[in-house]
Amino acid sequence: EIVLTQSPGTLSLSPGERATFSCRASQSIISSYLAWYQQKPGQAPRLLIYGASNRATGIPDRFSGSGSGTDFTLTISRLEPEDFAVYYCQQYGSSQFTFGPGTKVDIK
Amino acid sequence: EVQLVESGGGLVQPGGSLRLSCATSGFTFSKYSMNWVRQAPGKGLEWVSYISSSSNIIEYADSVKGRFAISRDTAQDSLFLQMNSLRVDDTALYYCAKIRNAKWLVDAFDLWGQGTMVTVTS
Repeated sequence: EIVLTQSPGTLSLSPGERATFSCRASQSIISSYLAWYQQKPGQAPRLLIYGASNRATGIPDRFSGSGSGTDFTLTISRLEPEDFAVYYCQQYGSSQFTFGPGTKVDIK
Repeated sequence: EVQLVESGGGLVQPGGSLRLSCATSGFTFSKYSMNWVRQAPGKGLEWVSYISSSSNIIEYADSVKGRFAISRDTAQDSLFLQMNSLRVDDTALYYCAKIRNAKWLVDAFDLWGQGTMVTVTS
């Protein structure tokens, strides 16, 4: 099973600031089968990024993903008030899909 | 409208069983692989099970292997999760989730339901 580690656990930032999230895998993820999701309280997760760097339909371009192998990054260029949430990475390149523990972004 | 609607959750004693359902609409269900994902109260996401579009490939998380069974019914456009030998640590909100691209066996999950709550307690 591929284990995903996310850092930091919590990010305290202000609207307008840049947010950077890290996701590290215990082994290489094939074909960059890495996704990022956003989850707000009481809501289902929402797909942001697939294939490590492709924005999902309807996702604003302030969200970007990068990385390959074992190290991946999600960046929000300028935080909007609606971006304060929990962000999860997920790998779907092995038979046991796994999620990272999440990074919470809260208002500073 | 494209949507997934889960049902079947509830309160059950340890060792009991439940069958979850996920009704789909707005897309060609038969073409897409599907998944179940759960989230314990206040915790993160845990992938539970996967089934390919033709049901020929099925995968489970180690934590549920041998106890849970995923299935699908194209005639009903529905996904199911039979959960047996339930444990306290199976308590969670259970989501069904569709993969993004029908041409692929695996992909990111682009459509989620709102979930159905399963509580296992004595």
